[in-house]
Amino acid sequence: DADVTQTPRNRITKTGKRIMLECSQTKGHDRMYWYRQDPGLGLRLIYYSFDVKDINKGEISDGYSVSRQAQAKFSLSLESAIPNQTALYFCATSDTGTGGYNEQFFGPGTRLTVL
Amino acid sequence: AQSVSQHNHHVILSEAASLELGCNYSYGGTVNLFWYVQYPGQHLQLLLKYFSGDPLVKGIKGFEAEFIKSKFSFNLRKPSVQWSDTAEYFCAVNARNTGGFKTIFGAGTRLFVKA
Repeated sequence: DADVTQTPRNRITKTGKRIMLECSQTKGHDRMYWYRQDPGLGLRLIYYSFDVKDINKGEISDGYSVSRQAQAKFSLSLESAIPNQTALYFCATSDTGTGGYNEQFFGPGTRLTVL
Repeated sequence: AQSVSQHNHHVILSEAASLELGCNYSYGGTVNLFWYVQYPGQHLQLLLKYFSGDPLVKGIKGFEAEFIKSKFSFNLRKPSVQWSDTAEYFCAVNARNTGGFKTIFGAGTRLFVKA
C-alpha cells in the first residue's frame, strides 16, 4: 500500500488550461511538499506546508498555487498552464522530527505535458 | 544562497567497478545530509542520511557516504556496483535558514552500470 499517492499519474493538457494535481498521504506527517523535476536540474521546490494553516513558497512558485485541505491532502494548481511547466511533479511528506530535520517520503510522481 | 553541487551528471561503469559520486554544498551552519535514489520509473527513496555522530554512514544495498565538514562534502561510495544500481542519485541538504527548514537537492547523477 502506497503511503503517498498522487493523482493523476499522467496528464496532457493545452496551454491556458487550469490543472490540479492532488496528493494524499497516510503517514500522518505534518509536512508536505511539491517539487518539480526537470532533466539536469534535479528537484526544485514549488511550495511546502508545515501544517494545515501554514503555506510557504518555494524557489519556483510563480505560476503555481496550492491548497492544504487537510493534514493528509495537499493539492497543486496551475491556474493557466504553459508549455515550460511540462515536467515530472512529485509530492513528498516528512515528519517534524528532532530539530525539524527529517527524511522525505515521495509519491510516485505526476508526468504533466502542456502542449 | 544555499546550493548543492553534484560533480558528475552521467557516470557509466562496468559491474564490479567501484563508485564514488561527489556532492558539495554551500552552507556554513548545521546541516543534515541525504542521498536519495530514483530507479527507472520509480519515485525517489532514501539511500542514507547523516544527522550527527560518525561521519561515515552506511545505507541500504551496500552504499556508504562520508561527511567531511571541512570540505562541505558528502560523497557517496560503493565498492562494487551491480547492474541493478542503474539509477539517478540525488544529494540533498537540509538546513535551517531564515525561512525555516528547507531541503535543497542537487541536480542528480545518472548512473548506468553495464552488465
